[in-house]
Amino acid sequence: GQNIDQPTEMTATEGAIVQINCTYQTSGFNGLFWYQQHAGEAPTFLSYNVLDGLEEKGRFSSFLSRSKGYSYLLLKELQMKDSASYLCAVRDSNYQLIWGAGTKLIIKP
Amino acid sequence: IAGITQAPTSQILAAGRRMTLRCTQDMRHNAMYWYRQDLGLGLRLIHYSNTAGTTGKGEVPDGYSVSRANTDDFPLTLASAVPSQTSVYFCASSDNSNTEAFFGQGTRLTVV
Repeated sequence: GQNIDQPTEMTATEGAIVQINCTYQTSGFNGLFWYQQHAGEAPTFLSYNVLDGLEEKGRFSSFLSRSKGYSYLLLKELQMKDSASYLCAVRDSNYQLIWGAGTKLIIKP
Repeated sequence: IAGITQAPTSQILAAGRRMTLRCTQDMRHNAMYWYRQDLGLGLRLIHYSNTAGTTGKGEVPDGYSVSRANTDDFPLTLASAVPSQTSVYFCASSDNSNTEAFFGQGTRLTVV
């Protein structure tokens, strides 16, 4: 079966750095997405990786290793507004998105 | 304002009733999707449409139907609602199957 694993919850301090990991086992691979979802709101797109390596976008970076079935989202200079759930999703061989259950990130002052 | 709109925002529905959740996008995206999101689970695909006139079944299609008569609209119908269909439903669209998806604000449905 297809599976996306992420930690359920993480806690970090304002101003610090946090890394959210995602491992996947899917039938084929056509890209990995990270989305942010604030409580009671819709998911919003953060990043997309299809090749190995690091993609940097401001305070957020995303890394992919296809051989290891592994990605991480790195958030720097954490702000209180970064408190949200972070969803990892993989596009499989049928170009359908398979979603992880999400990681709830709690930022403490 | 360009984007994707769902209606209603929330609904309490008696079991056995029929209900249509509406979804409209004005971005001229080819692909549209319906997901349900339940606590502790990832988004699960109910139905999708890669282009107007075509639809396909996702991971959890039973009890739901969709239509795609035109590019903009992608309604989701529950023919006879059951309590297990209590969930938050998200409609999404993307330009094609290779690009990121944009989500509507969600419909919180409670079946009692």
